[in-house]
Amino acid sequence: QPVLTQSSSASASLGSSVKLTCTLSSGHSSYIIAWHQQQPGKAPRYLMKLEGSGSYNKGSGVPDRFSGSSSGADRYLTISNLQFEDEADYYCETWDSNTVVFGGGTKLTVL
Amino acid sequence: QVQLVQSGAEVKKPGSSVKVSCKASGGTFSSYAISWVRQAPGQGLEWMGRIIPILGIANYAQKFQGRVTITADKSTSTAYMELSSLRSEDTAVYYCASGSSSDYWGQGTLVTVSS
Repeated sequence: QPVLTQSSSASASLGSSVKLTCTLSSGHSSYIIAWHQQQPGKAPRYLMKLEGSGSYNKGSGVPDRFSGSSSGADRYLTISNLQFEDEADYYCETWDSNTVVFGGGTKLTVL
Repeated sequence: QVQLVQSGAEVKKPGSSVKVSCKASGGTFSSYAISWVRQAPGQGLEWMGRIIPILGIANYAQKFQGRVTITADKSTSTAYMELSSLRSEDTAVYYCASGSSSDYWGQGTLVTVSS
């Protein structure tokens, strides 16, 4: 089954940009993933579905500041013009016919 | 817009079972998988299993095989997750999520296992 690897933490300054990475395990580099945001004390929120081609499909109401891209087995979430409300945990998710897998999550701090 | 509303918090004794519900509205309940995901205090998201209501077929994470049962009632657009033989490590917030890529999430249900 696929495994997703994420850095445990990241930080960036208010108004800057940050790029979070989710890496698919060997043999699974073509998989589609989803990105989710979890603000403190809240349920996760779907941000987007991201294909290996780099094409992505955002959820309703997700700001234009959020975008996705891909390179090989890596899937990226870029947040531009960082706001304090972007401080959250970010999880990637993938799936096949038998299972669903989440990455360990990246805690983003906005300085 | 799909909305998922879960049942309220539960406190259970070790060895007992808990059943959490997830009622869907605003979309086509039967067409998409509904997953159950849990989050222990301070930890990440952990997938437990899913069901496709229109097929009535569920599959489970190996870790929970034999201890979790996921069902769906198409007539009430409600999914259920029952976890048995509870232990303290099962204390967590339990979420339901619906859609091809967990597009929609419930608000979460805190299950506390304590003697």
